[in-house]
Amino acid sequence: NAGVTQTPKFQVLKTGQSMTLQCAQDMNHNSMYWYRQDPGMGLRLIYYSASEGTTDKGEVPNGYNVSRLNKREFSLRLESAAPSQTSVYFCASSGMRVDNYGYTFGSGTRLTVV
Amino acid sequence: DQQVKQNSPSLSVQEGRISILNCDYTNSMFDYFLWYKKYPAEGPTFLISISSIKDKNEDGRFTVFLNKSAKHLSLHIVPSQPGDSAVYFCAASMSGRRALTFGSGTRLQVQP
Repeated sequence: NAGVTQTPKFQVLKTGQSMTLQCAQDMNHNSMYWYRQDPGMGLRLIYYSASEGTTDKGEVPNGYNVSRLNKREFSLRLESAAPSQTSVYFCASSGMRVDNYGYTFGSGTRLTVV
Repeated sequence: DQQVKQNSPSLSVQEGRISILNCDYTNSMFDYFLWYKKYPAEGPTFLISISSIKDKNEDGRFTVFLNKSAKHLSLHIVPSQPGDSAVYFCAASMSGRRALTFGSGTRLQVQP
């Protein structure tokens, strides 16, 4: 099915380990986003890429890096995981305008850092 | 400081009755508002949106109302169905920026 695919779906890391969350979309969208969801905090923007070749910080970028590999793929890297990064991570994509339909989200990656 | 606020973490209604979910915002630059629905273990899905030039938008059982002077919007679901049980997120955007700002969500439980 067309949409946004995230891998892995679940991951447990030890403090200090690194990992990359992968995201790919097949809707030919220009913009892609990484959000984290925490209880009582809603969805908070980590990084976004308005178009291929550009990335910008969101509300909570510390401890993360991103790569817009091509138009389809946008990865999120944790260089040295911390327990505070335990969360559910969502990737999303959108066309040139976020109105009307907004984002299309992936199904999420549940990350636990112990 | 949260720019989009959903002050009710949860709401329970009976099947067939009206569900009203509320959202407040503080940034007067927001000009487009969206509601998303989220089931457990799934990503949020778009439900309905409204431009700041309108005060109402309707789509089937779902209606969103916008009161710009009060910086308040609400989502009405009539009639409510058990399948509507989910977490609902309010989101806002402003011209020139694609990134959405989300509220903390309201968990709706529709009792059969």
